[in-house]
Amino acid sequence: GESVGLHLPTLSVQEGDNSIINCAYSNSASDYFIWYKQESGKGPQFIIDIRSNMDKRQGQRVTVLLNKTVKHLSLQIAATQPGDSAVYFCAFRGYSTLTFGKGTMLLVSP
Amino acid sequence: DTAVSQTPKYLVTQMGNDKSIKCEQNLGHDTMYWYKQDSKKFLKIMFSYNNKELIINETVPNRFSPKSPDKAHLNLHINSLELGDSAVYFCASSLLLSAGGLAGELFFGEGSRLTVL
Repeated sequence: GESVGLHLPTLSVQEGDNSIINCAYSNSASDYFIWYKQESGKGPQFIIDIRSNMDKRQGQRVTVLLNKTVKHLSLQIAATQPGDSAVYFCAFRGYSTLTFGKGTMLLVSP
Repeated sequence: DTAVSQTPKYLVTQMGNDKSIKCEQNLGHDTMYWYKQDSKKFLKIMFSYNNKELIINETVPNRFSPKSPDKAHLNLHINSLELGDSAVYFCASSLLLSAGGLAGELFFGEGSRLTVL
């Protein structure tokens, strides 16, 4: 049967590598950005957020970088683990909702 | 404790039928949402309710009718189901962070996979 994952941009890494997932946005008025992780069969879960007055924010093993000049957002995952395998979405705040970008599937091999 | 719960998790039905998906949140949030996720994993907003009032209604066929009996519940009723309605439907909730209605972090349910045959 069809594999949904093949329709998504996919990043394949080895366990222990660092991963970088990128996202572009078009609305220069966006002031708040979030990265979500969606594991198979589950709903998206919050990973980390950043406001437009910052260009970098760090969490546990994750870092989000924001480049407002080129409207680019990235998520860096250090020492990627098999449990990090999921689809990752960036999201941008708009009026009364969040707009999601296209997801990226991260596949981590042991 | 489940923060955002939706039922049923799976729903298989015939074209032309009417079905409902229920959603409840126990986070005390004032805003709830329905998103549709297609086979390519694209998440698209359908509706947004704030304190039981509709505030966002994207270009969704009027066969889809959300109902919010109170701010902790947002149900989705779909009439005359079509093949193209097959998708995973996610309920979510959030606080609105300002009088301007800017959304904060969304908390999602586990999704309801609808299959129309």
